[in-house]
Amino acid sequence: GAGVSQTPSNKVTEKGKYVELRCDPISGHTALYWYRQSLGQGPEFLIYFQGTGAADDSGLPNDRFFAVRPEGSVSTLKIQRTERGDSAVYLCASSLTAGNVGYTFGSGTRLTVV
Amino acid sequence: KQEVTQIPAALSVPEGENLVLNCSFTDSAIYNLQWFRQDPGKGLTSLLLIQSSQREQTSGRLNASLDKSSGRSTLYIAASQPGDSATYLCAVDQGGSEKLVFGKGTKLTVNP
Repeated sequence: GAGVSQTPSNKVTEKGKYVELRCDPISGHTALYWYRQSLGQGPEFLIYFQGTGAADDSGLPNDRFFAVRPEGSVSTLKIQRTERGDSAVYLCASSLTAGNVGYTFGSGTRLTVV
Repeated sequence: KQEVTQIPAALSVPEGENLVLNCSFTDSAIYNLQWFRQDPGKGLTSLLLIQSSQREQTSGRLNASLDKSSGRSTLYIAASQPGDSATYLCAVDQGGSEKLVFGKGTKLTVNP
């Protein structure tokens, strides 16, 4: 596709439920990033993939958060036992290679936990 | 731990004014600094990137400067237009990792 696609654009879930957020990067981009943006804050780094492997997951807040990229393209961010504090916009970005500053961000998934 | 601060948090100006947005960072050992624009409900668009060895970058009406030793960057917007209304985010790349550290942004409103 022409850009980074994130689905769904909005997700409302009940506290304690499991959610999956999907990111389709630009075709051919090997590096993929997830960020979380809470209201009134800047984006915060969650995890970075180079190809299929999570090269840096140091930003994941706890073990309820997990992300995969099994074929080196689409990535899924998974959140278990959601809490109200997980409510935020989850942003995905991709770039051609690691260290390449040509980031393209998706429009994000707005997650609301009620 | 790197911290990025942006001042002011919000700014409202009449159309045509020149304006300056400020960004400061606590750890001067950065690889590069980027300015992004974020429109409501949209992702981030990269505006300018300054490598640590550079002092400034220009694109159209935008000029970004970097003073690495003092931990500061400014984004200058000339002849502002209503279409410039957005949130402007500053982000630093520490190098040695792939993560960007963002400020909270400056929300700019340009009034017709």
